[in-house]
Amino acid sequence: GAVVSQHPSWVICKSGTSVKIECRSLDFQATTMFWYRQFPKQSLMLMATSNEGSKATYEQGVEKDKFLINHASLTLSTLTVTSAHPEDSSFYICSGFGTGERGYTFGSGTRLTVV
Amino acid sequence: RKEVEQDPGPFNVPEGATVAFNCTYSNSASQSFFWYRQDCRKEPKLLMSVYSSGNEDGRFTAQLNRASQYISLLIRDSKLSDSATYLCVVNSPSGNNNDMRFGAGTRLTVKP
Repeated sequence: GAVVSQHPSWVICKSGTSVKIECRSLDFQATTMFWYRQFPKQSLMLMATSNEGSKATYEQGVEKDKFLINHASLTLSTLTVTSAHPEDSSFYICSGFGTGERGYTFGSGTRLTVV
Repeated sequence: RKEVEQDPGPFNVPEGATVAFNCTYSNSASQSFFWYRQDCRKEPKLLMSVYSSGNEDGRFTAQLNRASQYISLLIRDSKLSDSATYLCVVNSPSGNNNDMRFGAGTRLTVKP
């Protein structure tokens, strides 16, 4: 079945630094990649939607200059959390959708802790 | 009103029990419906898609009522391994994309 490889699985960084999260679709072409964030005991919240080669569409309340999304190829999308702060600590997860695929394939998630 | 609303839970049931989860969605243009299962600190995994005719997969039965904008999941003969959070997911058109909206999830704990 379809697989999305997400790295890193966990990261601890200092406040003010930037962190890049990668999602690679391994055996399908992800024309659309969704980025979610999940705080403890809450549901996944859609942050942004990116289509290959286009600018991402951000959900209301999500700062596009803080959460930089790049989807330059059909197999790679990245989310960069810039100038991270402790309140950005969360579980970030991507989900890829490609033509011919049934449903959406999730990455394994990245647990970000900002100290 | 939230786009996707689920039973708040948590549900604590004994092994062998039958348990049902409900979910309502607000966007009448929604096209696809799913139940996902999420274990603690893991990514969601597709449990089953939901079709208007209803569908069954072993001990799991999903139903969709488009008129009432309502989705359900029934688990029969609960197992300890069914303990997880069950997410109702609705796929709705959004601009040139489709996007998935998640319910808050219902936590199920199956006890011996």
